[in-house]
Amino acid sequence: EAGVAQSPRYKIIEKRQSVAFWCNPISGHATLYWYQQILGQGPKLLIQFQNNGVVDDSQLPKDRFSAERLKGVDSTLKIQPAKLEDSAVYLCASSWTSGGPVETQYFGPGTRLLVL
Amino acid sequence: GDSVTQMEGPVTLSEEAFLTINCTYTATGYPSLFWYVQYPGEGLQLLLKATKADDKGSNKGFEATYRKETTSFHLEKGSVQVSDSAVYFCALFYTGRRALTFGSGTRLQVQP
Repeated sequence: EAGVAQSPRYKIIEKRQSVAFWCNPISGHATLYWYQQILGQGPKLLIQFQNNGVVDDSQLPKDRFSAERLKGVDSTLKIQPAKLEDSAVYLCASSWTSGGPVETQYFGPGTRLLVL
Repeated sequence: GDSVTQMEGPVTLSEEAFLTINCTYTATGYPSLFWYVQYPGEGLQLLLKATKADDKGSNKGFEATYRKETTSFHLEKGSVQVSDSAVYFCALFYTGRRALTFGSGTRLQVQP
């Protein structure tokens, strides 16, 4: 079974530029998550999708971040314009159904973003 | 809101030493508890989990017991190996929020 795929693995941009990250979850997984992991901290949820609908985007900075999952499969996370404090690893994860209490989230390798 | 607190690292041990990484949590209700591990250059992997009080999760020689009375989920291993060197994250899953809340991670370095 293929794991969660993410691209690119690394990205360096200047502040005020835009950037996009892509995630392809495990086949059949209905729930997809984007997490932000700042150096030295644990991952923090940005947005959660179930199929192509948003379940939770309460911690997404909507003035600059956007995400979509149009066909309920792969997803794109965009930052426009980027700030220095957006430097982090962006993790995508997926799970089988709707995120029940015993469900396992499977994580991709992450995209490491550096904003200069 | 819910939160997870882990002991700060790095934790440096010699091979075959006993490992404990402390984790305590604050949550409304009864969360499920997890330990994830992140090996160098790799993504987060689930190590073990427990879904209710007094449950013990175990995998690869690691164990953790869900202690509701002390709101803790400490990770233990009787004899660590160099290959266990990684960052370990404690996390809770609270059905009211339906997403993982992570601690800040503890780096383990095992020396031969």
